[in-house]
Amino acid sequence: EIQLTQSPSFLSASVGERVTITCRASQGILSYLTWYQQKPGKAPKILIYGASTLQSGVPSRFSGSGSGTEFTLTISSLQPEDFATYYCQQLNTYPLTFGGGTQVEIK
Amino acid sequence: EVQLVQSGAEVKKPGESLKISCKGSGDNFGSYSIVWVRQMPGKGLEWMGIIHPDDSDTTYSPSFQGQVTFSVDKSISTAFLQWNSLKASDTAIYYCARLWGPYYYGSGSYHRNFPYYYYGVDVWGQGTTVTVSS
Repeated sequence: EIQLTQSPSFLSASVGERVTITCRASQGILSYLTWYQQKPGKAPKILIYGASTLQSGVPSRFSGSGSGTEFTLTISSLQPEDFATYYCQQLNTYPLTFGGGTQVEIK
Repeated sequence: EVQLVQSGAEVKKPGESLKISCKGSGDNFGSYSIVWVRQMPGKGLEWMGIIHPDDSDTTYSPSFQGQVTFSVDKSISTAFLQWNSLKASDTAIYYCARLWGPYYYGSGSYHRNFPYYYYGVDVWGQGTTVTVSS
């Protein structure tokens, strides 16, 4: 089973700040990584797939990069609606696995 | 627009059985790949497994193999998640969702055998809260 380790698990940031979240895989997964955003009481929402392809309708301040074992999700200028928990998921091998999540809160 | 609507919240006692549902609409349900995801209180997302409604072909995560059963009734576009004997540790929100990608994933599909032919989960149910307590 492929383990995904996200860091940090919690971050506090201000509106307008640039935020970067890292997801490390226990073995190479090429670019088969997807990012989700989850707000309290809601189902997750897909943001980025294939490590770097923005899902339709997702604001361009979100971007993803990486391949192999190290990936990043960047929010170029944090907006009030971006305060949420972010998860990565690998789609290289069954069982599909998620990272532990990164909670982004308002400073 | 594809939608998944799940059954309502459940409160059960340990040892009881339970079957929750997930009804799809807006597209050919048979061509979906339905996944189930658990979220325990205050915790992260856990992938439970996948079922293909066209032929009920199923892959379980090892963590959930033997603990739950997935099924489908294609005639009513509904997927089910079932427990025979609930435990307190089954208390969680359970999401059904559609695993999505650029290929056909119905019966006979080559691509559905390999998760890297999918992009991710694009449609989620609203979640079913299951509480197991004596």
